Amino acid sequence: DGGITQSPKYLFRKEGQNVTLSCEQNLNHDAMYWYRQDPGQGLRLIYYSQIVNDFQKGDIAEGYSVSREKKESFPLTVTSAQKNPTAFYLCASKPDTAFYNEQFFGPGTRLTVL
Amino acid sequence: AQKITQTQPGMFVQEKEAVTLDCTYDTSDPSYGLFWYKQPSSGEMIFLIYQGSYDQQNATEGRYSLNFQKARKSANLVISASQLGDSAMYFCAMRGDGGATNKLIFGTGTLLAVQP
Repeated sequence: DGGITQSPKYLFRKEGQNVTLSCEQNLNHDAMYWYRQDPGQGLRLIYYSQIVNDFQKGDIAEGYSVSREKKESFPLTVTSAQKNPTAFYLCASKPDTAFYNEQFFGPGTRLTVL
Repeated sequence: AQKITQTQPGMFVQEKEAVTLDCTYDTSDPSYGLFWYKQPSSGEMIFLIYQGSYDQQNATEGRYSLNFQKARKSANLVISASQLGDSAMYFCAMRGDGGATNKLIFGTGTLLAVQP
């Protein structure tokens, strides 16, 4: 089945540790996105990538880093510089075609920093 | 600056009735797109419906329709014949910048509760 997978579903880390969230898609989509969602809030864009080996900062990139070495993978690292990392993280992808306007989302990873 | 506003934090609706979820937007881009997503308690975002700024007709997808009023900058979601499974958070979103990057800007959401 084609889709977007994010692992793990729940993640716990100690304060000051870096943590990497996985996002994999087998939809052959060109663009991938990372969003953060806080309780009672909408999604905010962290980073996005429209092509392999290229990515751009979104609205809240500070304290995060990404890589796009393969088309199907777009991992997000939450660094110790991120002051409030506890949140729900959603990865999305979109094909480079006008036929689809929407982004397709993964199931999300809930990160809790203790 | 682009912005999406959803003024209804929560709403109740009786099963089988219709409900309208409000969304207003602000953008200076002549070309933009408007989306509605559903987020159940499990957390995944489910795409419901899309309206392009140049589309002449309101978008419809099954029980979902988008009431697009361009002059008022509103894009309300109408759910007809509500079902218990419609209980979820609903987010309005906008794609701006002419679609160059397909970045989405989201509103704060409306929590819909369908009562039997």
